[in-house]
Amino acid sequence: DTGVSQNPRHKITKRGQNVTFRCDPISEHNRLYWYRQTLGQGPEFLTYFQNEAQLEKSRLLSDRFSAERPKGSFSTLEIQRTEQGDSAMYLCASTGVGSRVTGELFFGEGSRLTVL
Amino acid sequence: QKEVEQDPGPLSVPEGAIVSLNCTYSNSAFQYFMWYRQYSRKGPELLMYTYSSGNKEDGRFTAQVDKSSKYISLFIRDSQPSDSATYLCATRSNTGNQFYFGTGTSLTVIP
Repeated sequence: DTGVSQNPRHKITKRGQNVTFRCDPISEHNRLYWYRQTLGQGPEFLTYFQNEAQLEKSRLLSDRFSAERPKGSFSTLEIQRTEQGDSAMYLCASTGVGSRVTGELFFGEGSRLTVL
Repeated sequence: QKEVEQDPGPLSVPEGAIVSLNCTYSNSAFQYFMWYRQYSRKGPELLMYTYSSGNKEDGRFTAQVDKSSKYISLFIRDSQPSDSATYLCATRSNTGNQFYFGTGTSLTVIP
């Protein structure tokens, strides 16, 4: 168990550019979540996958955001035409059937996005 | 109305003090309640977990749920400088699909 891994840890980009974040969950976990967190706020739900199926997406999520989880393993979160308001920490978390009883989400270290 | 409301603080206490962190939640159907600790520029990590009402103790930490008032509390005894972090309360839907987080309370323990 190497934990949830996220890359890159920090991305600085210019407004209008596209960015992609990658998340490698704990290998036996079938559920994967993406959250966004801004300074002084708790994690805000973006979307989640069960295996390769994207089961829910936040109504607040702009069409510029897209997420995939091919083959139910790693996941990518892409933001197109970035805006300064997209600057935040993007957190990935995973959980498995066994974790469902305890309700534990295992979080990665996050990918920090700065849009200039 | 947000699913979980939390006083953001910040809270500053001297080392050795007892700390009380509190949240309220909106949906009386929620059964699972969690406290996460988040150090600066790190991801949250699970600290305590409780199911339904009652208390749960783990070392210096006690989590308490009062379902009648929809109130969640975390108590830290003999607080240490290493406890300085942001504490997030959370709950989840009974289907296990959705997790709801408070805004977090920033705690600083002064040596």
